[in-house]
Amino acid sequence: GENVEQHPSTLSVQEGDSAVIKCTYSDSASNYFPWYKQELGKRPQLIIDIRSNVGEKKDQRIAVTLNKTAKHFSLHITETQPEDSAVYFCAASIWNYGQNFVFGPGTRLSVLP
Amino acid sequence: DSGVTQTPKHLITATGQRVTLRCSPRSGDLSVYWYQQSLDQGLQFLIQYYNGEERAKGNILERFSAQQFPDLHSELNLSSLELGDSALYFCASSAGSGVGVYETQYFGPGTRLLVL
Repeated sequence: GENVEQHPSTLSVQEGDSAVIKCTYSDSASNYFPWYKQELGKRPQLIIDIRSNVGEKKDQRIAVTLNKTAKHFSLHITETQPEDSAVYFCAASIWNYGQNFVFGPGTRLSVLP
Repeated sequence: DSGVTQTPKHLITATGQRVTLRCSPRSGDLSVYWYQQSLDQGLQFLIQYYNGEERAKGNILERFSAQQFPDLHSELNLSSLELGDSALYFCASSAGSGVGVYETQYFGPGTRLLVL
């Protein structure tokens, strides 16, 4: 089955710097890759997603890149702010009559003022 | 507020017991997903229902079962509970086209289950 690895497990950056979180997946049939942000005690929220027919997607300070050949995708956050501090999860999904998801273990991002 | 509701918010029970978690999707959403989040296992996808039909299954234990009713609310039943089942259980919903179009999932606030 699918396996998703995520690195680093913790990341500290200074406010205003960039943060990059990387994920790799094992099943080449995966074709949808969402990223979720989860603040302490709250529900996960989708922040950006990418489909396998797209190499890069950007939404203001957040971007995701996908390399299907190498089976990895990355989240890039620029001009980080303290409110970006949270746990970020990547996931890989395969459509097979339904939508199955496998999540990475998460990255705890701390943005230091 | 995502529009997805889950009850109860907290649940404390003993090993060997059975509990039912309830989820009401956003108005009009046809797909419901269940997830388990524990400290050591991270976020795990359990099962997806679309308009009353089971569509995808993740790492859901045989002691767990779910269903989606005609009014589209869903229930997750956990039986023969073990200490390791203590976790946060999330439900999410999406509009659900049923034909492989990936849609944003909206998560509920979760049910925190503690098995003693």
